[in-house]
Amino acid sequence: EPEVTQTPSHQVTQMGQEVILRCVPISNHLYFYWYRQILGQKVEFLVSFYNNEISEKSEIFDDQFSVERPDGSNFTLKIRSTKLEDSAMYFCAIWDRGETDTQYFGPGTRLTVL
Amino acid sequence: AQKVTQAQTEISVVEKEDVTLDCVYETRDTTYYLFWYKQPPSGELVFLIRRNSFDEQNEISGRYSWNFQKSTSSFNFTITASQVVDSAVYFCALSDLTGNQFYFGTGTSLTVIP
Repeated sequence: EPEVTQTPSHQVTQMGQEVILRCVPISNHLYFYWYRQILGQKVEFLVSFYNNEISEKSEIFDDQFSVERPDGSNFTLKIRSTKLEDSAMYFCAIWDRGETDTQYFGPGTRLTVL
Repeated sequence: AQKVTQAQTEISVVEKEDVTLDCVYETRDTTYYLFWYKQPPSGELVFLIRRNSFDEQNEISGRYSWNFQKSTSSFNFTITASQVVDSAVYFCALSDLTGNQFYFGTGTSLTVIP
């Protein structure tokens, strides 16, 4: 059973629309991350989230992006007004820095902005 | 500046050959983490290893081994007796010890030919 699930698997949206990508870790974790990967390119760090607060964010993570953990379980990434260049695969990840010291990635959400 | 360089864009080997994937990094930090990830053709991201900068012992896990050399700022990954299932894109990454921000290399696409 995967440690992390993401919904939806594929989201198609019109430019300027808001999207919310969801990440659900199977068990309790403290360290959360969002990454994006434009097709055929490298993985890019977006934001890290620890103890319900943003720890660090990259230059990509501008005011159009936000993250939250609304119910202590789901971890969401919101893009307020999507642009064509936001089209990418978005991966959620957790880092179990305890016993396993392993990072687990969700299967990703493919976002297509038209 | 924080930077990870994977100079090998694509590598092809014949099954059972050994192959080494290079990773060179730049960091302003005296202590840091280094990582390797695998992205098979199915697209998911798989965590392979985390290494602390203060632990220069090489690591072996089955057919995988990692050679960390602080003096040359390199963290190379060797697959021994490669198999077709090793075909994937491999990413090297760097973070500081907080693990709050990650810097990825551009990846090396490995094809193992049967």
